[in-house]
Amino acid sequence: ELKVEQNPLFLSMQEGKNYTIYCNYSTTSDRLYWYRQDPGKSLESLFVLLSNGAVKQEGRLMASLDTKARLSTLHITAAVHDLSATYFCAVSNYGGSQGNLIFGKGTKLSVKP
Amino acid sequence: GAVVSQHPSWVICKSGTSVKIECRSLDFQATTMFWYRQFPKQSLMLMATSNEGSKATYEQGVEKDKFLINHASLTLSTLTVTSAHPEDSSFYICSARGLAVISTDTQYFGPGTRLTVL
Repeated sequence: ELKVEQNPLFLSMQEGKNYTIYCNYSTTSDRLYWYRQDPGKSLESLFVLLSNGAVKQEGRLMASLDTKARLSTLHITAAVHDLSATYFCAVSNYGGSQGNLIFGKGTKLSVKP
Repeated sequence: GAVVSQHPSWVICKSGTSVKIECRSLDFQATTMFWYRQFPKQSLMLMATSNEGSKATYEQGVEKDKFLINHASLTLSTLTVTSAHPEDSSFYICSARGLAVISTDTQYFGPGTRLTVL
């Protein structure tokens, strides 16, 4: 059974600081997603990582994937208040319902001035 | 890009009534649609997977007679919560996958429907 674990679940950081969110998954998958969710809203797609060693960057966010370690990271550089949200990683479950996504529990990020 | 809509965006109903939620892919044909449920401050949990023209596949613990799913066309799937109770109050999110512009494997999420059962 595919399991996805994120840590930390809560993250309070000051503006300007750097931090990393970790996403571990339990079985082989070559497709990992990062999403952002604002309160009361649906998911906003941030990154799709398709292969080992993949690295993608958008603004202050950078995501990477190590399929051998079954680990993805979401690195936040010089955080700003606008990044406050809940971030989810999700992995394609090829052994499940036609490749549905298994989500981590989410990391609630709060960036304080 | 691929757009998925949901209707209604929020609904309040009395206990015992049924509620229908629509999920539409606006600019692509969705061969598969997924229905997720998210309780407050929790992650998304898959409820069921539907393919156009066939019966939905429900995840373990999800009552198929309570959560009726119909995927009648390549652009529309509906979730009907029958005899809703307060414990069914949740945020329901659909996603669609199909012959999208970017990838056939990418899921595109709808904006969600917040259901409150009184």
